[in-house]
Amino acid sequence: ETGVTQTPRHLVMGMTNKKSLKCEQHLGHNAMYWYKQSAKKPLELMFVYNFKEQTENNSVPSRFSPECPNSSHLFLHLHTLQPEDSALYLCASSQVEREGGYEQYFGPGTRLTVT
Amino acid sequence: GQNIDQPTEMTATEGAIVQINCTYQTSGFNGLFWYQQHAGEAPTFLSYNVLDGLEEKGRFSSFLSRSKGYSYLLLKELQMKDSASYLCAPMDSNYQLIWGAGTKLIIKP
Repeated sequence: ETGVTQTPRHLVMGMTNKKSLKCEQHLGHNAMYWYKQSAKKPLELMFVYNFKEQTENNSVPSRFSPECPNSSHLFLHLHTLQPEDSALYLCASSQVEREGGYEQYFGPGTRLTVT
Repeated sequence: GQNIDQPTEMTATEGAIVQINCTYQTSGFNGLFWYQQHAGEAPTFLSYNVLDGLEEKGRFSSFLSRSKGYSYLLLKELQMKDSASYLCAPMDSNYQLIWGAGTKLIIKP
């Protein structure tokens, strides 16, 4: 247990469905992240929130929509996905301060399959 | 651009020592992290180096040379449970982690 939880752990959805992934951190951190991990590829940073403000959006398609209502919760809303979006989606949190950033703690991930 | 280079796969014997190398190029540098990731699980933090030299933590040690853009992770007294992927991740000037594809380490009896 790293203090970061994600639900659901597994999700199968059709290309016309709408679903949401949820992440919650219990570590008091001020930054949260969404990553995509495909087989044999590096972790791809999708979105970053510092103090609930989105600071990064690495050219992610609009079919992925993040939401950060407070510093402990992060959502990823999904709609009209493509089969190539099937991957492990990881949430992470860390403490970021003026003098630097610290290690990221990851949740267990959501294994997403788009049919 | 930003780039991480580490071997795709390595094999070692239980009880032995293995060194996993990583070279990197980043826009600015704020330290380097190593993570362990077992198959189907999330990455877990192993070590952080921001100054040149060796950091030892039990059976695992991590080394950094900033001038060479080089780091390695040293695993001693290998155990079967050490079979996993090891991810090298330097932190750039924006405090974002730049991830390599990882090195899959296979431990044989």
